[in-house]
Amino acid sequence: DIQMTQSPSSLSASVGDRVTITCRASQSISSYLNWYQQKPGKAPKLLIYTTSSLQSGVPSRFSGSGSGTDFTLTISSLQPEDFATYYCQQCYSTPHSFGQGTKLEIK
Amino acid sequence: EVQLVQSGAEVKKPGESLKISCKGFGYSSVSYWIGWVRQMPGKGLEWMGIIYPGDSETRYSPSFQGQVTISADKSITTAYLQWSSLKASDTAMYYCATYSSSSGFFDYWGQGTLVTVSS
Repeated sequence: DIQMTQSPSSLSASVGDRVTITCRASQSISSYLNWYQQKPGKAPKLLIYTTSSLQSGVPSRFSGSGSGTDFTLTISSLQPEDFATYYCQQCYSTPHSFGQGTKLEIK
Repeated sequence: EVQLVQSGAEVKKPGESLKISCKGFGYSSVSYWIGWVRQMPGKGLEWMGIIYPGDSETRYSPSFQGQVTISADKSITTAYLQWSSLKASDTAMYYCATYSSSSGFFDYWGQGTLVTVSS
């Protein structure tokens, strides 16, 4: 199975900050990388698929980049509603494993 | 609009069996694969497996193979997740979601079913 490792595991930031979360795969996954946002008590929400494609309805302050084994999710200017936990997921081979999550908290 | 509605919370004892459901609305049952994701209390997301209701082709994570059964009834656009003998470690929230076979992501999610296994 492919292991996905996110860093950091938690992050404190302020409204308006630029934030970057990284995700590393244990082997090359080409561009088969998705990002999800989960708020407490809610189902996850797809933000970005195939590394950099923004899901419909997701604000443009979210962006993704990378290829091979190293990927990033960037939020250009944090908004109050962005404080949540973020997960990466590889879809190169089954099982389509998730990273352990990055909890983004208000500073 | 695509919607997935999951069955309600369950409280079971170790050793009991359980089948939870995920009913789809707003799409044809042969349009999407359906996947299941586990989230243990306070923990991250785990990919359990996926099923194509059109022909019941199923793919399991090795971690869940033999531990659960994923099935579907395309005539009622419903997928199921089943246990034959629950353990306390099966206590978790279980989500179903539509799965894009071309891009590998889960786009529409159910609200989750909380399964609690306790003696």
